[in-house]
Amino acid sequence: EGRLVESGGGLVQPGGSLRLSCEGSGFTFDTYDMNWVRQAPGKGLEWISLIRGPGNRVYYGDSVKGRFTISRDNARNSLYLYMNSLTADDTATYYCARDLRSDGLDLWGQGSLVTVSS
Amino acid sequence: QSVLTQPPSASGTPGQRVTISCSGGDSNIGINYVYWYQQVPGAAPKLLIRATKQRPSGVPDRFSGSSVGTSASLAISGLRSEDEADYYCASWDVNLEAWVFGGGTKLTVL
Repeated sequence: EGRLVESGGGLVQPGGSLRLSCEGSGFTFDTYDMNWVRQAPGKGLEWISLIRGPGNRVYYGDSVKGRFTISRDNARNSLYLYMNSLTADDTATYYCARDLRSDGLDLWGQGSLVTVSS
Repeated sequence: QSVLTQPPSASGTPGQRVTISCSGGDSNIGINYVYWYQQVPGAAPKLLIRATKQRPSGVPDRFSGSSVGTSASLAISGLRSEDEADYYCASWDVNLEAWVFGGGTKLTVL
């Protein structure tokens, strides 16, 4: 089955940085691709980034390319999102999600709220 | 603007059948599977339909998915009050190398 728990969200000033973490349990973490998906208040889902199981390939959405970095530590069953040069448009709940490729994003965390404001 | 296009809202009465459309392009729905996610207020999204028409374990057979060309649909039959939620379609886009989502459809059960 499995569980994902995000942490690291909070209030950050414009131009600042933040690191989100997502810890997986109950499944073999390193065999799965992992994603970050965000949702601005009252808005829809926006895919942010994907990292393959071994960590050897990463993908980014255009809105965060060059500012955000996805990584993982399979020994710690953990996924990370390093966010730099944050703006108000980055204010959102950030979800990590397990990727089964042809079977979709089947397991989601509870989300971590990031608020960018002065 | 979302890469996939959904109507912003849909509604129906209990027991009715409703459908939600999702329009994409040749680089996503036209060539890859479609996925549907259900999100009730205050909760994380939940995978509802995978690989265009398959239901994960635990999803009632009232929910069904289909696609033709670059468009897909989610059908909900025997509508129930607990189906009131936001529904999102998604697909992998081979040109963008990205998961693309629709803007979401808010389903109201009258």
